[in-house]
Amino acid sequence: QSALTQPASVSGSPGQSITISCTGTSSDIGRYKYVSWYQHHAGKAPKLIISAVSDRPSGVSHRFSGSKSGNTASLTISGLQADDEADYYCGSYTSEDTLAVFGGGTKLTVL
Amino acid sequence: QVQLRESGPGLVKPSQTLTLTCTVSGASIRRADYYWNWIRHRPGEALEWIGYIYHSGDAYYSPSLKRRVSISLGTSQNQFSLRVTSLTAADTGLYYCARSYSGSSTFDYWGQGTLVTVSS
Repeated sequence: QSALTQPASVSGSPGQSITISCTGTSSDIGRYKYVSWYQHHAGKAPKLIISAVSDRPSGVSHRFSGSKSGNTASLTISGLQADDEADYYCGSYTSEDTLAVFGGGTKLTVL
Repeated sequence: QVQLRESGPGLVKPSQTLTLTCTVSGASIRRADYYWNWIRHRPGEALEWIGYIYHSGDAYYSPSLKRRVSISLGTSQNQFSLRVTSLTAADTGLYYCARSYSGSSTFDYWGQGTLVTVSS
């Protein structure tokens, strides 16, 4: 199955906002409202931060928000903090014969 | 608090079989609400969903891996396992176990991952 496309890296200064894009196809992001985002600090378990395009699980900061337009989903982090520095992955349900398809990950650097 | 923890050999030889175990605490793998998944991250590649197992023991696999992988429930503990045969260097990567709701592609709890290196 084809992977979703994410930028390799993004950066921002503390207090700023950044957006990470995740581009798929009409077989995944474009078709379903089942896009999720995960935050991964090296050596720790990945953490679900957005489900169903824009829903935040309990305990996830309101600084994280998600959206979708056509075949592209986006994760926005506002009021950047040092602890936000991590890898971020998107995932989507797909009509292909597999449960989920993921992006390659985006490394966020907080300057 | 749901926690998952992967365990297994860090180094395996080409052509051999890999077996990884995921130990779950804080949730029962025998409940019908969830899928119990394996996902891997190979160097330079996107995350790749490998397969899941259901409380009944039914399993479903990625078409690209189904000929070489199998997932099974543990016999007495809250564990499930992944078996990958005919290993090559292309199977080197970080292997995660993760939980999703039945029918869902959203993974709400993950393990920390275990690094598997395939090398002679």
